[in-house]
Parts: sequence; C-alpha cells; structure tokens
Amino acid sequence: EVQLVQSGAEVKKPGESLRISCKGSGYSFTSYWISWVRQMPGKGLEWMGRIDPSDSYTNYSPSFQGHVTISADKSISTAYLQWSSLKASDTAMYYCARGGLGEYYFDYWGQGTLVTVSS
Amino acid sequence: QSALTQPASVSGSPGQSITISCTGTSSDVGGYNYVSWYQQHPGKAPKLMIYDVSNRPSGVSNRFSGSKSGNTASLTISGLQAEDEADYYCSSYTSSSTDVVFGGGTKLTVL
Repeated sequence: EVQLVQSGAEVKKPGESLRISCKGSGYSFTSYWISWVRQMPGKGLEWMGRIDPSDSYTNYSPSFQGHVTISADKSISTAYLQWSSLKASDTAMYYCARGGLGEYYFDYWGQGTLVTVSS
Repeated sequence: QSALTQPASVSGSPGQSITISCTGTSSDVGGYNYVSWYQQHPGKAPKLMIYDVSNRPSGVSNRFSGSKSGNTASLTISGLQAEDEADYYCSSYTSSSTDVVFGGGTKLTVL
C-alpha cells in the first residue's frame, strides 16, 4: 500500500527555523516526484515546488523560491520542506504529494503537517 | 488571485448532476491535456478524482467525469450523493514560470 506519512504539527516563533518531513512507503521512492502544497487557513491549494528523489533535482514556484528549501534522502525514502526563518504568514497546513515522472497530477497525498508561527 | 478560475460554490440535490468549471488560458488548461481534479473533505487531505482531463483513478466512482473545451475544463458529478459534499480543486500544468497551478476551489453543497 502506497503511503506518505508526514511529521507532526509544529508551533514555532517568527525567525525560527523548521524542517518537516514526508516518508514514502509501498513504492519505489526514487521513481516518483514529491511535491509540497500549501493550504493557508480557510484558503485553497498552492503548489510550492517539487523534488526528484533520484537525483534531488528541484524546481520551485516563484512564489516560494528563496523562502523554502525542498530536499530528500533517498536512503530513508524521505522528503523534506525547510524554512530558515519563519514568518507568521507561513502558518498553514502543508501537504506532500506524489507525482509521476513527466506527469502533472498527484495520486497520493500525505496527511498534512500543520505549522503555526506565532510570537 | 488563483491562476485558474473556479466558481466559489455550486449546489445540487441528491440524484442530480452538477458541473464545476475551471477556466484558464492557452498556457495551461487550453494548451495541454494535464488537467486534474481533487476532492477535499473538511480536515482531510485532497484526493485525486480525475487526471489528464478525463481519466479516473482506480477506485473513483464513475459518477465523476472530466472534460475540456478550449481553455475551460469541467468536472461533472452525476447522481449526487451526500458524501460528495466537499471542496473541489482543479489543477493544470502551465508553461509559465510555475509548473503546476491550482484553481481557487469550489465548495459543493448537496441540498
């Protein structure tokens, strides 16, 4: 069974750093892209960027480029989303999602990680 | 403002059919057959319902269908059921600076 299991909810202060994770199982982790999708409270879905775990190639939405870093450790089938300096506006639910190589849809999603940034 | 335009809400009675539209441009919806649709119930992760305009993943009811005409894609749900009440999002590949764009979402209410 394909699963993407994300790390638990986080509460952070502005300016702090954070890394959340997404562990894949039940499939060949290096055969599919992992994307990250943001959903701010009461709002819609926003694609942030993605990574090819086989070679760690990444591409980002311009809206998120420079503010977050996507990485992966294929040895443990885990992708990461990282911030070096959080802002209150980063408060949101973050989902990881699997996408096929050369495909532009997401067939499996993680359960989401709620990040709250508040002083 | 989202790159793809969806109606904020639609509604229908059980057993009826509804259609949700998703309007983009020739750089996304109109230019490629990479439109997908997602269902999201409150507090849950999105679920893929349609991919590549009109394909249904295994396990998705055949009451859900997708189509496209020009720059507008559509999701049709026939034989509405109470469990269909959810938010629905379209998505498309785009040749602009970001690979993937989502619509703003449509809240479906089953009356």
